[in-house]
Amino acid sequence: GENVEQHPSTLSVQEGDSAVIKCTYSDSASNYFPWYKQELGKRPQLIIDIRSNVGEKKDQRIAVTLNKTAKHFSLHITETQPEDSAVYFCAASSSYNTDKLIFGTGTRLQVFP
Amino acid sequence: EPEVTQTPSHQVTQMGQEVILRCVPISNHLYFYWYRQILGQKVEFLVSFYNNEISEKSEIFDDQFSVERPDGSNFTLKIRSTKLEDSAMYFCASSDGRNTEAFFGQGTRLTVV
Repeated sequence: GENVEQHPSTLSVQEGDSAVIKCTYSDSASNYFPWYKQELGKRPQLIIDIRSNVGEKKDQRIAVTLNKTAKHFSLHITETQPEDSAVYFCAASSSYNTDKLIFGTGTRLQVFP
Repeated sequence: EPEVTQTPSHQVTQMGQEVILRCVPISNHLYFYWYRQILGQKVEFLVSFYNNEISEKSEIFDDQFSVERPDGSNFTLKIRSTKLEDSAMYFCASSDGRNTEAFFGQGTRLTVV
């Protein structure tokens, strides 16, 4: 079945360092890949997304790369700040039926001052 | 900024009881979803709804679950006979098209005792 694997499960970095979170997906029909940030007890919020016709997308300190051949995509956060601390979920969507999102297992990012 | 709203924020119910979780999607959105998140785990797809019918459902969404859009604004999830394992945070989401951002509500924490 459809599956998204995400690594690492936890990530601790010093403020100012970079953080990288990696995901792989199984459904080759997936063509939309959002990343969500979830703070404790709150709703998931989209931080960046990428579509399969694009290899890389950047928005200020956040970037996402996609390798369709390898079915692999990554989130890069540069110059991390304590407020970046949260759980990050990658997801993959297929347009065959609907835009249901298959989520990864999440990465708990802690940024230490 | 428009947002998806859910009520109640927390629901405690006895095992075997029926519960209805309510959602008001963003007004011009056409695609509606329910997801759930068991404490500390990933977000899981339950069901998607488009054009007044279910477009896809997961294995979790068995005969005990149903969804309804009773009027032009509300979208509800009913669990007919709750089980302990139904305890989770339930998120409603909506989007205005395929492969576009899914906006999540703040969630309903369901506790089955």
